[in-house]
Amino acid sequence: DVKVTQSSRYLVKRTGEKVFLECVQDMDHENMFWYRQDPGLGLRLIYFSYDVKMKEKGDIPEGYSVSREKKERFSLILESASTNQTSMYLCASSLRGGAPGEQFFGPGTRLTVL
Amino acid sequence: AQKITQTQPGMFVQEKEAVTLDCTYDTSDQSYGLFWYKQPSSGEMIFLIYQGSYDEQNATEGRYSLNFQKARKSANLVISASQLGDSAMYFCAMREAFGNEKLTFGTGTRLTIIP
Repeated sequence: DVKVTQSSRYLVKRTGEKVFLECVQDMDHENMFWYRQDPGLGLRLIYFSYDVKMKEKGDIPEGYSVSREKKERFSLILESASTNQTSMYLCASSLRGGAPGEQFFGPGTRLTVL
Repeated sequence: AQKITQTQPGMFVQEKEAVTLDCTYDTSDQSYGLFWYKQPSSGEMIFLIYQGSYDEQNATEGRYSLNFQKARKSANLVISASQLGDSAMYFCAMREAFGNEKLTFGTGTRLTIIP
């Protein structure tokens, strides 16, 4: 069974803390994505990566960075967490050039910044 | 402008009835793909169905079908014989252009099935 796992289901951090959200997939997918999900706004793309050490900004990259040192792992970093980054964070992966190209999602991390 | 529009924030449907969830999209590309995902209360996104822009037939997967009307830029999800387990958030998404593998999501519709 294909799997995308995220390091935590729930996380509570304080304003100004550095936060790491980890995502691991076991499907040998080239593409990996980080989204945040907020009520009424749907899923918005933060960053994505097409390959190891490669990253591209999505629609809302401000306040975030990412790291992809290994193919299976894609990390989202909040350098200095703020209360407006309280959200649900979803990681996804997909096969490059795969058809139809659906993305496989992890269970999500609900982050609260106090 | 919104690329994916879902105009129904919430819907209540009686069990065993059919339900249609609306989705309209905006793109100037000729080649694109449309997806529907289900998100139960557990939070995980589940891929339901896909329609390619060049597919002439409407996609079907079990009780799910996609009513694709290209000229109207509409890709509605139809769930036949709804079940209590269909209660969830439903998201429409689009992938534009060959080689661009990002998805753009709509704001979602929360479907509640009433026993």
